[in-house]
Amino acid sequence: QQQVKQSPQSLIVQKGGISIINCAYENTAFDYFPWYQQFPGKGPALLIAIRPDVSEKKEGRFTISFNKSAKQFSLHIMDSQPGDSATYFCAASPGNTPLVFGKGTRLSVIA
Amino acid sequence: GAVVSQHPSRVICKSGTSVKIECRSLDFQATTMFWYRQFPKKSLMLMATSNEGSKATYEQGVEKDKFLINHASLTLSTLTVTSAHPEDSSFYICSLPVRTSRELYNEQFFGPGTRLTVL
Repeated sequence: QQQVKQSPQSLIVQKGGISIINCAYENTAFDYFPWYQQFPGKGPALLIAIRPDVSEKKEGRFTISFNKSAKQFSLHIMDSQPGDSATYFCAASPGNTPLVFGKGTRLSVIA
Repeated sequence: GAVVSQHPSRVICKSGTSVKIECRSLDFQATTMFWYRQFPKKSLMLMATSNEGSKATYEQGVEKDKFLINHASLTLSTLTVTSAHPEDSSFYICSLPVRTSRELYNEQFFGPGTRLTVL
């Protein structure tokens, strides 16, 4: 119930392409869904977040798509760049409680 | 967002010694902070919730006598790894929940992490 399942585990995308990472959850009490970007040896940085009353949120090249009925949400990175190469974590929480993290996706953007 | 610092960024210690890791909130009051542990190429696992002026709340399986948390002020939480062993080697990260103007709920901002290596 507390799990957030993330896929794929790793992803290789050509420069300029679209990177898509998916997450699924079971706990219907989850109502906050952020995505974090982490570079090696650094702490995670908040990228973008969504709440269930919205089906899509876009910030620059990053878009979250949210499907409440399917209990799924995804991160789309448009025009992917080598500098986007990092590990991405989806997360979720019910209200103001600690986040539950997915297992992460290692993204490599190649030229 | 909020700025969170950690000190030290890296520490190497001998087995059996204790190591203290500091987590500071630089621009928001921190009545609550979270401590996570992350093993190489793995996800973040919540260890404990640090509460200002009261006892920390530990997650199941985390030894409270081994991982001592002190949250004595609104800007500082410390994690002390006591009697460290090689299996405690990991990346320790703190986070600060902050209610920013763009979200009704608390967003979590993470520190840069502390790499602990126990020899």
